[in-house]
Amino acid sequence: NAGVTQTPKFQVLKTGQSMTLQCAQDMNHNSMYWYRQDPGMGLRLIYYSASEGTTDKGEVPNGYNVSRLNKREFSLRLESAAPSQTSVYFCASSPQGGTQYFGPGTRLTVL
Amino acid sequence: QKEVEQNSGPLSVPEGAIASLNCTYSDRGSQSFFWYRQYSGKSPELIMFIYSNGDKEDGRFTAQLNKASQYVSLLIRDSQPSDSATYLCAGGVNKFYFGSGTKLNVKP
Repeated sequence: NAGVTQTPKFQVLKTGQSMTLQCAQDMNHNSMYWYRQDPGMGLRLIYYSASEGTTDKGEVPNGYNVSRLNKREFSLRLESAAPSQTSVYFCASSPQGGTQYFGPGTRLTVL
Repeated sequence: QKEVEQNSGPLSVPEGAIASLNCTYSDRGSQSFFWYRQYSGKSPELIMFIYSNGDKEDGRFTAQLNKASQYVSLLIRDSQPSDSATYLCAGGVNKFYFGSGTKLNVKP
């Protein structure tokens, strides 16, 4: 039982490059989330998926897209990376409205 | 105004003392509240959750919720150096807003 896994752990991009962050959970949770964490800012919700087949914007969705591929997987895509997207990205999953379980994070640097 | 507000600290307490962490929220529709602990460079992990007004105790931790005042708190009794971390408060319904976190230092 791996919980929530994220790939990659680290990534360096150049401005304008694209990439997809992968997230998977094996806890049969309905809800999944993507957050970014910047120094002193706490966690800010980018997108979430309350159940398979649905996605909704969070606080800071601009510059990102998501795909809820199936119940287990929820990916985050940066189409054209910008230095302002340098951050630590956390994926989380939860039973509906319940405790969130977080992945280990992806540390992204955009040059 | 952020949905969830916390004092960023740092809050310094001596070992064995009670640490009191506070959080306010703006959305009266929020139903569930969570306290997470985050060590430097690690992901958040759940400490406690609370849904109902009043106190909820779990070992050395007590969460308090006052919906009328839109206030959530976490008390840590007998604080240990291993409790030194950033504590994140979160609230919401299906999506959750996090505060910016309070850094706690417990001094031996």
